[in-house]
Amino acid sequence: DIQMTQSPSSLSASVGDRVTITCQASQDISNHLDWYQQKPGEAPKFLIYDASNLETGVPSKFSGSGSGTDFTFTITSLQPEDIATYYCQQYDSLPITFGQGTRLEIK
Amino acid sequence: QVQLQESGPGLVKPSETLSLTCTVSGGSISPYYWSWIRQSPEKGLEYIGYIYYTGSTNYNPSLKSRVTISVDTSKNQFSLKLSSVTAADTALYYCARLSASYCSSTNCYNSAFDIWGQGTVVTVSS
Repeated sequence: DIQMTQSPSSLSASVGDRVTITCQASQDISNHLDWYQQKPGEAPKFLIYDASNLETGVPSKFSGSGSGTDFTFTITSLQPEDIATYYCQQYDSLPITFGQGTRLEIK
Repeated sequence: QVQLQESGPGLVKPSETLSLTCTVSGGSISPYYWSWIRQSPEKGLEYIGYIYYTGSTNYNPSLKSRVTISVDTSKNQFSLKLSSVTAADTALYYCARLSASYCSSTNCYNSAFDIWGQGTVVTVSS
């Protein structure tokens, strides 16, 4: 199985801050990576596909980049409604696997 | 818009079989792939498997010996059965649509879990 490692596990930032989360795959997965947002008490919400493409309706303050084994997810100008846990997920090979999540909090 | 709803017992005894159903509303179950995913504090988000509307399946090797996913296109439903459960199977279970251009036995191309149910908690306890 491909292991996905996110860092940091948790992050505290101020409103208006630019926030970056990293995700590392245990082997080359090209750009076969998705990102999700999970707010407390809710199911995950699909945000980004193929490492850098925003799903329809997702605000442009969210972005993703990377290829191979190293990926980043960025939120520009953090807002209170962005408080959530963010997950990366690879689909390069089955079984599909997720990162352990990055919990984002407001300072 | 398409919505998913999980249903089934919230409490299952050890060694018994966990059974859940996901009802798809607002759209057809074909021609898509449909998945079960579970979430626990210990393992995080864990892919259980998928089923195509035609009935072809793929299971996570870690659960393969105990998992069966089936589909009923006439009812717009798909189901999960997990046998011989233990406390380690206690989790929040989600059904989700796996949007993919194509899935083989080893890969799902251009895929993402684009629609999720609200999830249902299943506790394994006597």
